Amino acid sequence: TQLLEQSPQFLSIQEGENLTVYCNSSSVFSSLQWYRQEPGEGPVLLVTVVTGGEVKKLKRLTFQFGDARKDSSLHITAAQPGDTGLYLCAGVRDYKLSFGAGTTVTVRA
Amino acid sequence: DSGVTQTPKHLITATGQRVTLRCSPRSGDLSVYWYQQSLDQGLQFLIQYYNGEERAKGNILERFSAQQFPDLHSELNLSSLELGDSALYFCASSDGGVVYNEQFFGPGTRLTVL
Repeated sequence: TQLLEQSPQFLSIQEGENLTVYCNSSSVFSSLQWYRQEPGEGPVLLVTVVTGGEVKKLKRLTFQFGDARKDSSLHITAAQPGDTGLYLCAGVRDYKLSFGAGTTVTVRA
Repeated sequence: DSGVTQTPKHLITATGQRVTLRCSPRSGDLSVYWYQQSLDQGLQFLIQYYNGEERAKGNILERFSAQQFPDLHSELNLSSLELGDSALYFCASSDGGVVYNEQFFGPGTRLTVL
């Protein structure tokens, strides 16, 4: 059983469309991270959110940490084929990093 | 390129065997983390070493062990291998000893147990 539930599991959209990936848990985390992983490579950290209610923007990517620090979302505006990959959320709890199962995003040109 | 190197890239072995995976962290990083990624379990934290000492333990089986050497490289030993141990094994490193320091992942070792 995953401590963090990600939805949807798969997402396929056309270039230029927007998308949102959700990461939910019943547990509280001291911080939450989002990673992107491409085939044959290790995950790469995109952002860390620490404060409940925090919103961080990274170009076309917007990350939000829930007020109760139990959930998070990743929103991509005007998606591009280069955004294709596996998006993983990971929560810090008890000095360990627990990952969600991931959302596979495919952006079609 | 994250600066973390892992060898070998691929490993194929039989059930019951023992293998060793090697990781060299980024220059200057003191922490090494090991993760297992499989289709059914996702990415699971196994163990962390900081400057040669075990710092945190996750879902690591008793058949698995790890160590970090004085030059800070790390090895993950997997013994009595089972079919279910087939997975991608990632090593990550960070400069600090706490888990929320940014971790840089290596390219992984793909282990296939036949």
